[in-house]
Amino acid sequence: GAVVSQHPSRVICKSGTSVKIECRSLDFQATTMFWYRQFPKQSLMLMATSNEGSKATYEQGVEKDKFLINHASLTLSTLTVTSAHPEDSSFYICSATKGTEAFFGQGTRLTVV
Amino acid sequence: QKEVEQNSGPLSVPEGAIASLNCTYSDRGSQSFFWYRQYSGKSPELIMFIYSNGDKEDGRFTAQLNKASQYVSLLIRDSQPSDSATYLCAVSGNTGGFKTIFGAGTRLFVKA
Repeated sequence: GAVVSQHPSRVICKSGTSVKIECRSLDFQATTMFWYRQFPKQSLMLMATSNEGSKATYEQGVEKDKFLINHASLTLSTLTVTSAHPEDSSFYICSATKGTEAFFGQGTRLTVV
Repeated sequence: QKEVEQNSGPLSVPEGAIASLNCTYSDRGSQSFFWYRQYSGKSPELIMFIYSNGDKEDGRFTAQLNKASQYVSLLIRDSQPSDSATYLCAVSGNTGGFKTIFGAGTRLFVKA
């Protein structure tokens, strides 16, 4: 299967700071990537669709000014959590679609203290 | 109505038994159906995918799809304790760049 690499796997930051998470498709080009958030014992909730060369599409209830998405190339999408607060602490996962199959990054455990 | 619905469980089965996981979806235009396994604190990993009505078998796993009933299931034969995890049903269609929508997941416990 295809490989999607997500970095960092774990980050702890202070409240009010910003955190950037990278998602890379290593062996294929992905014009579209997806960002999910997962709270403990809950399923993956789609936050936004990242489109290469254009603006991301955000799901209802997700603040686009807080969760900045940049898809600058066919292999890289970044999610920046701006002015992070403790309630943003969660497991963030990216995925890229090859054909109709979604391949996931390893996930990023964000803890805001 | 949720787009993809699953019983949250937990579903508890003894080792060696068959575990049956069920999922329904609301979008009739859905084309691709997936089962992912997720261990606590880890990303999901793909177990099975199915595109056509009927059964698809891969080792101990069998996926079943019924598009008329908007129903997809996963059977795990000879369940092992290592199968204990949360199983996510996922559905994608032909819009939104094959956006994949996940169910809430079913927690499975296989008792040794």
